[in-house]
Amino acid sequence: EDQVTQSPEALRLQEGESSSLNCSYTVSGLRGLFWYRQDPGKGPEFLFTLYSAGEEKEKERLKATLTKKESFLHITAPKPEDSATYLCAVRDSNYQLIWGAGTKLIIKP
Amino acid sequence: DGGITQSPKYLFRKEGQNVTLSCEQNLNHDAMYWYRQDPGQGLRLIYYSQIVNDFQKGDIAEGYSVSREKKESFPLTVTSAQKNPTAFYLCASSPERNTIYFGEGSWLTVV
Repeated sequence: EDQVTQSPEALRLQEGESSSLNCSYTVSGLRGLFWYRQDPGKGPEFLFTLYSAGEEKEKERLKATLTKKESFLHITAPKPEDSATYLCAVRDSNYQLIWGAGTKLIIKP
Repeated sequence: DGGITQSPKYLFRKEGQNVTLSCEQNLNHDAMYWYRQDPGQGLRLIYYSQIVNDFQKGDIAEGYSVSREKKESFPLTVTSAQKNPTAFYLCASSPERNTIYFGEGSWLTVV
């Protein structure tokens, strides 16, 4: 069964303390892996799409990487405004999206 | 500005009542989606539509209905058959088989 698992469920960091969020997946025929940021009470905001193992994308303090089994969202020197829930989704060979439950990131000043 | 507009932001439903959530997009996207989000859970697909006048059930379609009479519009009706409708509802759209983009969401509460 296709599945997406995000870890940890929640992560508390001090401002400036770099870390990574994990998205592991089992899916037949990956057609893309997507990262979103969601603020409380808002719709998810698109961050990155990755299509093949070895691919990397960056945006400000965020960098997403992809292997054949998982993706990492690296956060370098985070600021309090990076606090949000980060969602991962994969598109399978039928082009259906499968979502993880998200990681809630809290950055303390 | 281009985007996806959901309304209302907050909606209250009485027992036995049907309510409709509006979703309009001006991105010229072919596909549109409705998701339900409950605390601590991933997004669950209710319905999706890839072209006008056609739509498919998602994982949790029971108690919901949709229509797609125009490319820009994809309203969701939460019927009285949906026994636990309190949730955050998200509308999304995408170019075919590509990245999906979300609206700001609508909160539905049963009173």
